[in-house]
Amino acid sequence: GNSVTQMEGPVTLSEEAFLTINCTYTATGYPSLFWYVQYPGEGLQLLLKATKADDKGSNKGFEATYRKETTSFHLEKGSVQVSDSAVYFCALSDSGGGADGLTFGKGTHLIIQP
Amino acid sequence: DAGVIQSPRHEVTEMGQEVTLRCKPISGHDYLFWYRQTMMRGLELLIYFNNNVPIDDSGMPEDRFSAKMPNASFSTLKIQPSEPRDSAVYFCASRLTGNSGNTIYFGEGSWLTVV
Repeated sequence: GNSVTQMEGPVTLSEEAFLTINCTYTATGYPSLFWYVQYPGEGLQLLLKATKADDKGSNKGFEATYRKETTSFHLEKGSVQVSDSAVYFCALSDSGGGADGLTFGKGTHLIIQP
Repeated sequence: DAGVIQSPRHEVTEMGQEVTLRCKPISGHDYLFWYRQTMMRGLELLIYFNNNVPIDDSGMPEDRFSAKMPNASFSTLKIQPSEPRDSAVYFCASRLTGNSGNTIYFGEGSWLTVV
């Protein structure tokens, strides 16, 4: 079956530090990959996505590259801000599975200190 | 365009009471999903609909939970009777077939506390 594994954290960084949140996946088909972000007290928002191998998704200074050879979709940001503090979820949608909902990782709680 | 709209945003209820959560998906979307989020179990898919028809309810925890979608613009998730272990955030989400990557869009969630 499909699964997503990501570092759970919490991950605590200082402002302007470099961020990497690792995400690896297993899937039966050719999945699309997503990062969602959940700010305190809010719902999940799509941060970025990639639909095929070697695609790079980017938004708000965050990037992730779809690496089929390593089955990974690591999230990176060159300089984090306090406002980036949130929970980040890696997810996949398996096109081979048709209409299934997303398979989520457990989420990584990111804390950015001033 | 309006996003996925859920109500109520917050609900506190006593054990044994019936709880009804409501969702209005994004107009034109043909898939609707109900997820539950807890600290212990993370995000779990409870049930999803395609064109108002339930497709997979294998994630529904037990018979106390039921979901309906009487039309393309409205769905409910009902818990009867509610128990303290049902306390969680319940998310509704929707998707349009054929959109890039099958992106799913989430509502703000309904934060349920059963005491």
